[in-house]
Amino acid sequence: QVQLQESGPGLVKPSETLSLTCTVSGHSINNNNYWGWIRQPPGKGLEWIVVVYHSGTTYYNPTLKSRVTLSVDTSKNQFSLKLGSVTAADTAVYYCARGPSYGDYSGWFDPWGQGTLVTVSS
Amino acid sequence: QSVLTQPPSASGTPGQRVTISCSGSTSNIGSNTVNWYQQVPGTAPKLLIYRNNQRPSGVPERFSGSKSGTSASLAISGLQSEDEANYYCGTWDDRLNGPVFGGGTRLTVL
Repeated sequence: QVQLQESGPGLVKPSETLSLTCTVSGHSINNNNYWGWIRQPPGKGLEWIVVVYHSGTTYYNPTLKSRVTLSVDTSKNQFSLKLGSVTAADTAVYYCARGPSYGDYSGWFDPWGQGTLVTVSS
Repeated sequence: QSVLTQPPSASGTPGQRVTISCSGSTSNIGSNTVNWYQQVPGTAPKLLIYRNNQRPSGVPERFSGSKSGTSASLAISGLQSEDEANYYCGTWDDRLNGPVFGGGTRLTVL
């Protein structure tokens, strides 16, 4: 059974960098799926941040691309997100999730991690 | 502002059939298949329908999806109290080169 778990600080100061890691169990991230980060501001809808294949092919949300860094550690079966120069608008629950196989642009995500709330505040 | 458009709310009584719409454009729904998620407040989204009308294992047959042109719909028949949740549509957008979502529809079971 595939499981994903987000980890990282719950509080980040404005202008600093938000760092989160997603640990995958029950499925190798070397398999042919893509992996994604999605966020949800309090009381609002879902917003895609970035999706990545283990090969390194990466698709960034254009509105966030300049602030996002994504890395993949296949030895630990993890992928990590860094979002720089954060503001209060970046306060959200951050989810990691598994997508379909490379070349399959059906865009579904399953399963999702439980999510982690990151608050940007001084 | 979400890329896909959903009504903010929907409601029905137990046993009723309700539908939730999702509208997009030629670069997203018009070109790719549609997925639906159920999110109970305080929990992560759960995939309900993928590739327009496919149900993952464990999702009841009461849930069904359809797509026509640049719009899609989720239908829930035999509405139950536990169906009260937020529902999101999603797909891939060829212009943005990534997955996009609707703003969500809050379903209330009266």
